[in-house]
Amino acid sequence: QVQLVESGGGVVQPGGSLRLSCAASGFTFSSYGMHWVRQAPGKGLEWVAFTRYDGSNKYYADSVNGRFTISRDNSKNTLYLQMNSLKTEDTAVYYCAKDFALCGNNPDAFDIWGQGTMVTVSS
Amino acid sequence: DIQMSQSPTSLSASVGDRVTITCRASRSVSSYLNWYQQKPGKAPKLLIYAASNLQGGVPSRFSGSGSGTDFTLTIRSLQTEDFATYYCQQSYSNPGTFGQGTKVEIK
Repeated sequence: QVQLVESGGGVVQPGGSLRLSCAASGFTFSSYGMHWVRQAPGKGLEWVAFTRYDGSNKYYADSVNGRFTISRDNSKNTLYLQMNSLKTEDTAVYYCAKDFALCGNNPDAFDIWGQGTMVTVSS
Repeated sequence: DIQMSQSPTSLSASVGDRVTITCRASRSVSSYLNWYQQKPGKAPKLLIYAASNLQGGVPSRFSGSGSGTDFTLTIRSLQTEDFATYYCQQSYSNPGTFGQGTKVEIK
């Protein structure tokens, strides 16, 4: 079945780094754009980053631009989020999500979500 | 960025009720409007895409309508499993912004 499984979350001090991974299965990973979406405790959803199916285009939320890097390895069916210079306001559950559109050039709806991984930035 | 605003922020309803949630965009998003359901401790689930298209496996009591700046999610006859928080999201332009959510609670 179609599945996304995130890993790599944890507790990190402000200014630190963390890399999240998202393992995909059950669909042709290399044909779909992928997103990271986060949710701070008790808050709503915030889109973080998108990579096109082939990794050629990447977009970021202003709140993370310059600090976070989204990447993918289509040979390993895996999505990544490298998070540097972490701030307390980055504390959230991070979800990876599959884009709805086959070989889409721009972000669309999120039709498959992982279970999420918690990132806590605290001293 | 396009701002998305949902109303109400919360509502109480009974099983069998008809429930309507509204989403308004700060400028036109055409029909690039999606709806998600999230239950506590779970990932969101896509319900409606492109304003009015039911995602596969979603019960037909859910429906969406609207275009431009004003959109509606309707649950025709509320069931126990529908008590959750609902989010709209525009995919017209980057960033793909979400509404603040509408929590549907049991009356």
